[in-house]
Amino acid sequence: KAGVTQTPRYLIKTRGQQVTLSCSPISGHRSVSWYQQTPGQGLQFLFEYFSETQRNKGNFPGRFSGRQFSNSRSEMNVSTLELGDSALYLCASSSGAGKNTEAFFGQGTRLTVV
Amino acid sequence: SQKIEQNSEALNIQEGKTATLTCNYTNYSPAYLQWYRQDPGRGPVFLLLIRENEKEKRKERLKVTFDTTLKQSLFHITASQPADSATYLCALPVGGSYIPTFGRGTSLIVHP
Repeated sequence: KAGVTQTPRYLIKTRGQQVTLSCSPISGHRSVSWYQQTPGQGLQFLFEYFSETQRNKGNFPGRFSGRQFSNSRSEMNVSTLELGDSALYLCASSSGAGKNTEAFFGQGTRLTVV
Repeated sequence: SQKIEQNSEALNIQEGKTATLTCNYTNYSPAYLQWYRQDPGRGPVFLLLIRENEKEKRKERLKVTFDTTLKQSLFHITASQPADSATYLCALPVGGSYIPTFGRGTSLIVHP
């Protein structure tokens, strides 16, 4: 079956702009989580959506938001971009059925803010 | 505060040897611990999950141990190959959430 698909793969934006990233999870998976990865901070959890509801949230400012659609596809939005938002943004899908479920990651979107 | 510690220095080993990576955590008793592999520019790939009531788990050349008293997990790759070169991340739920928090990862370099 198809894996997790993230679009676009690469983005260059200017400070102050906003950006929307997209994630299509594995068919049948209802949980989608978003992570930010930087060399300095490693992989940090942004938020998780399950059945169109935000179920968990990490410690990021309100400029970072997301949503999930009825087909489980998810988008995350970053407004008023800052240079420090440059990172690899990863989406992970899982069945969300239980606590011990593995996460399947997409290839990520590399965002560069200039 | 809760921490997940992995050796930040790269581990260099010769092909055929066993690689052992360490994941230490503090101030929590996780219900499970996961190991992932990440190649440059790509998302992490799930390798193994071990539950708190399991001491050891194996999958092909991989072995994971989980010592809840020491608060440590060891990840072994036996008969290592250059293709095993990658960054290995451990992840475990902290703070009462079931969402895994990731360590910073350890880079493994296997020399032919």
